[in-house]
Amino acid sequence: GAGVSQTPSNKVTEKGKYVELRCDPISGHTALYWYRQSLGQGPEFLIYFQGTGAADDSGLPNDRFFAVRPEGSVSTLKIQRTERGDSAVYLCASSPQPGSEQYFGPGTRLTVT
Amino acid sequence: KNQVEQSPQSLIILEGKNCTLQCNYTVSPFSNLRWYKQDTGRGPVSLTIMTFSENTKSNGRYTATLDADTKQSSLHITASQLSDSASYICVVRDNNAGNMLTFGGGTRLMVKP
Repeated sequence: GAGVSQTPSNKVTEKGKYVELRCDPISGHTALYWYRQSLGQGPEFLIYFQGTGAADDSGLPNDRFFAVRPEGSVSTLKIQRTERGDSAVYLCASSPQPGSEQYFGPGTRLTVT
Repeated sequence: KNQVEQSPQSLIILEGKNCTLQCNYTVSPFSNLRWYKQDTGRGPVSLTIMTFSENTKSNGRYTATLDADTKQSSLHITASQLSDSASYICVVRDNNAGNMLTFGGGTRLMVKP
């Protein structure tokens, strides 16, 4: 079956611009997670959705970052006024329920110039 | 702050050789520990999962060990293949933090012919 998909696979944007990154979780998975991975580092937790609600957004670095999951399926990570330090791979994962194995998407590589 | 530290940061071995990757963690109370394999440009894929009561678990040529007393885990790769070249990430789940996962920085393994 289809795994977690993320679009775009690569995004290059100029400093100060707004970007949206999309995640399509595995069908039926209620939990969805966003992570940020810098080069040579492990993923860092950003936000976790259970259904439509953000159950834990403690990993969002500041208020320029926001994520939504309006219908409990697809999620969008939104970054305003991008900075060069936002350059990273943004990974999305989903799991059938909280606590079960997370399945990762391929990530979106964001480059802010 | 919960931490997961991995060593070495990078490793180069010849095809057919064995290697062992280390993971030390401070997460407590501890729920489970996973080893993930992350190919370049791809999302992490789970190799093994162990709870605190398990000492060893194998998945083909991969064998993970866990010492919950010393808070150490290792991943042993036997008879390495070129396709084993990837980053290997140790991930610990905090029993008190819902579905919060703490990721290590990973070990980048390169298998050369």
